[in-house]
Amino acid sequence: GNSVTQMEGPVTLSEEAFLTINCTYTATGYPSLFWYVQYPGEGLQLLLKATKADDKGSNKGFEATYRKETTSFHLEKGSVQVSDSAVYFCALRNQGGKLIFGQGTELSVKP
Amino acid sequence: ETGVTQSPTHLIKTRGQQVTLRCSSQSGHNTVSWYQQALGQGPQFIFQYYREEENGRGNFPPRFSGLQFPNYSSELNVNALELDDSALYLCASSLVGGEDSPLHFGNGTRLTVT
Repeated sequence: GNSVTQMEGPVTLSEEAFLTINCTYTATGYPSLFWYVQYPGEGLQLLLKATKADDKGSNKGFEATYRKETTSFHLEKGSVQVSDSAVYFCALRNQGGKLIFGQGTELSVKP
Repeated sequence: ETGVTQSPTHLIKTRGQQVTLRCSSQSGHNTVSWYQQALGQGPQFIFQYYREEENGRGNFPPRFSGLQFPNYSSELNVNALELDDSALYLCASSLVGGEDSPLHFGNGTRLTVT
């Protein structure tokens, strides 16, 4: 079946540090891949997406590249800010339309 | 454009009771789906509605049911509540059910079952 696995958190970084959150997936067919962010007390916000192999999604300084050969979609940011502190979810979506999420990775950025 | 709105924001129920959660889709969206997010976990798909018909369901028992109305608003009903039903319930809307139409989420309803 389809599934998503993320690196466990929490991840604690200092401001301006480099961020990587690993995400790998198992899927039949050719799913679209997403990163969502959840700030405390809020719902999910779409951060970025990629719909086919080798696509790079980017938004607000975050990037992720759809790697079919390694079935990965790692999230990166060159310089994190305190305001980036949140929980990040990797997800895939196939033709059925439903999203399948990873368990989430909590990021805490210290000043 | 208005976003996805859910009500109520918080709710406390007793085991065995029934609950109805409500969702107003983003303007122009015709597909709505519901997710359950237990504490510390990723959201789990409950079901999806398109044109007032259920067109996809996750691994949830029949006591979880839903409705979609002609104005594309939606309800999630849960009967015979159990302690494990305590979670954040998220509604998401999109324009169509295809994989390239992004889902827009509401802020959720926090349900506590005691």
